[in-house]
Amino acid sequence: SYVLTQPPSVSVAPGKTARITCGGNNIGSKSVHWYQQKPGQAPILVIYYDSDRPSGIPERFSGSNSGNTATLTISRVEAGDEADYYCQVWDSSSDHWVFGGGTKLTVL
Amino acid sequence: EVQLVESGGGLVQPGGSLRLSCAASGFTFSSYEMNWVRQAPGKGLEWVSYISSSGSTIYYADSVKGRFTISRDNAKNSLYLQMNSLRAEDTAVYYCARDPAAGLDCWGQGTLVTVSS
Repeated sequence: SYVLTQPPSVSVAPGKTARITCGGNNIGSKSVHWYQQKPGQAPILVIYYDSDRPSGIPERFSGSNSGNTATLTISRVEAGDEADYYCQVWDSSSDHWVFGGGTKLTVL
Repeated sequence: EVQLVESGGGLVQPGGSLRLSCAASGFTFSSYEMNWVRQAPGKGLEWVSYISSSGSTIYYADSVKGRFTISRDNAKNSLYLQMNSLRAEDTAVYYCARDPAAGLDCWGQGTLVTVSS
């Protein structure tokens, strides 16, 4: 089955740029979606199709995907961005949605 | 307003059964694929099951295949998950999520299922 690998944690100072990676075999050939989840809340979609933003998501959130790594970039990080972030792809070989293990973003 | 509301969670003994429901409102439910996703306490997200808009195509995670059954009633704007032969490792918050084939763009608040004796 397809595996997505995320770093367990990323730390960043306010106002700086956070980059959260999602590794997978030839992930660049797949569409990657990203979710933000704050404690006690349901996940929300922040990036779809590698780099598109749903309405209401700040432009500070962006995404890229190439080769074996997809990246969620959060510019000018704010305290309110502190959350868990998950990447997701559709694995067509198994007809399964696959989630990465999640990355806890800490704003210092 | 697009809304998904899950219900039916609770405490059940190992080997028992439970049926979860997800009531949809604010959009044309019959036009959307739907999913169940769960999250064990302190753990990450785990996809459970998918159902197409008509209900004709269904997929399951290996961990629940043969024990769980997803279904929908488009006339009632509702999604269901019948869970049988429950195990301790099925303990989780279960979310229903709308699937417009561009990620899961709307999630319910979740319902907690606890499997314990």
